[in-house]
Amino acid sequence: QQQVKQSPQSLIVQKGGISIINCAYENTAFDYFPWYQQFPGKGPALLIAIRPDVSEKKEGRFTISFNKSAKQFSLHIMDSQPGDSATYFCAASARSNYQLIWGAGTKLIIKP
Amino acid sequence: DSGVTQTPKHLITATGQRVTLRCSPRSGDLSVYWYQQSLDQGLQFLIQYYNGEERAKGNILERFSAQQFPDLHSELNLSSLELGDSALYFCASSVGKGAETQYFGPGTRLLVL
Repeated sequence: QQQVKQSPQSLIVQKGGISIINCAYENTAFDYFPWYQQFPGKGPALLIAIRPDVSEKKEGRFTISFNKSAKQFSLHIMDSQPGDSATYFCAASARSNYQLIWGAGTKLIIKP
Repeated sequence: DSGVTQTPKHLITATGQRVTLRCSPRSGDLSVYWYQQSLDQGLQFLIQYYNGEERAKGNILERFSAQQFPDLHSELNLSSLELGDSALYFCASSVGKGAETQYFGPGTRLLVL
C-alpha cells in the first residue's frame, strides 16, 4: 500500500512532441505528489509538485495532472526538447509520517 | 548548486573495507536523507535523520550505519564492503521532517573492487 508505481520505465519522444509519464498509488492518505528530474551524474532536483486540492498544476512546459478518484497522477512535458532528456521520478507522501515514497523512475530520451 | 555538499566525490576501495561518506546539508535544513542509486536503477531510500535523531529507516543494510552530528552534518558508514555496494550515494536535506522539497547533493560515487 506504500508503493508508488511509475510507468513507463523508459520513453523515447521526438523533439516537439508530448512526453507523458504516469504514476499510481494505493494509499489514500498521500497528500503531496512531487516530480523530480535527474540528469546523468547529478542529484535529482524538484521539478514540480501538487497537492490533491487541485487537479492540475502547470509550470511552463511541465504539467502535473492529478486524478484523485483513480489514485493516479501524471507528468506532461509539452514541446519536448533534447534538454529534457533525463530520468524523472514521481513520489508521494502523507502528513502522518512525511516520508517520501519514490517511484522507480522513467528514463526519457528526446530525439532531435 | 543545491547548497548540499558531499565528500568525497569519488571513492575506490576493496571488498571487505570500510568507508565513510560525509554530507553537509543546506544552511537551516534540519533533515538529512541518504539514498543509494545503482547503475540505471532507481533511488533506494536508506535512512533519514531529523535534528540529530533517526526519523525513518528504509532499505539500509545492517553493514551500513549513519549519524547526524550536533552541527547537523551527517556521515554514512559502509562496512564489510561487497562488490554490489558499488553505487552512487546521495545525500539530501530539507527544512522539516519531510513532505517538502528535498535538496540533493552531487553524490559520492563508490566503486568496490
